[in-house]
Amino acid sequence: AQSVTQLGSHVSVSEGALVLLRCNYSSSVPPYLFWYVQYPNQGLQLLLKYTSAATLVKGINGFEAEFKKSETSFHLTKPSAHMSDAAEYFCAVSSSLGNEKLTFGTGTRLTIIP
Amino acid sequence: ETGVTQTPRHLVMGMTNKKSLKCEQHLGHNAMYWYKQSAKKPLELMFVYSLEERVENNSVPSRFSPECPNSSHLFLHLHTLQPEDSALYLCASSQDGLAGEPDTQYFGPGTRLTVL
Repeated sequence: AQSVTQLGSHVSVSEGALVLLRCNYSSSVPPYLFWYVQYPNQGLQLLLKYTSAATLVKGINGFEAEFKKSETSFHLTKPSAHMSDAAEYFCAVSSSLGNEKLTFGTGTRLTIIP
Repeated sequence: ETGVTQTPRHLVMGMTNKKSLKCEQHLGHNAMYWYKQSAKKPLELMFVYSLEERVENNSVPSRFSPECPNSSHLFLHLHTLQPEDSALYLCASSQDGLAGEPDTQYFGPGTRLTVL
């Protein structure tokens, strides 16, 4: 079985400050990991994904995430927050064996303080 | 149209009504999904279709009935719903079976359903 835990259902950062959204995963096989973003009244948009090619993954809108197997983590970061980053962010895991579909975390709502 | 589209975007219905949600994907994918997103709950996978065959049904009540007539279209037929079924219903699609690649899902904008 696989699962993800997102620490902090709400995170607030000042505009221009570092964004750090935490995700820890549990998987019995090598995982594929994803971050999705959801803006108000919209569906989920893929930010980035880890497929074992490189541990540091760069995504859209200046976000990146680092896969750390020893910590079972896949935290999302952005060096400088922008007002347009305010949204809900979801971490998700799937199995590299293809036997389990995406499992989502409960989401982290990011608020940007002007 | 590009990506995954869903209609209608908003739907209000009474408990005795029958309605349908429609999803269309323009990505050439071979798998489609229905999810339910309720406030303060994780995304719930409802149905999965791969190559137009239902492969997963996560114990969804029979008042929700999916239909996948071809690889580009997915419907969710609704009847005698309850107020607790009010939620955002999201459709997604993916290309399954690519060696060494995850089944990356692409989502539509959702249908906001309110059951009175």
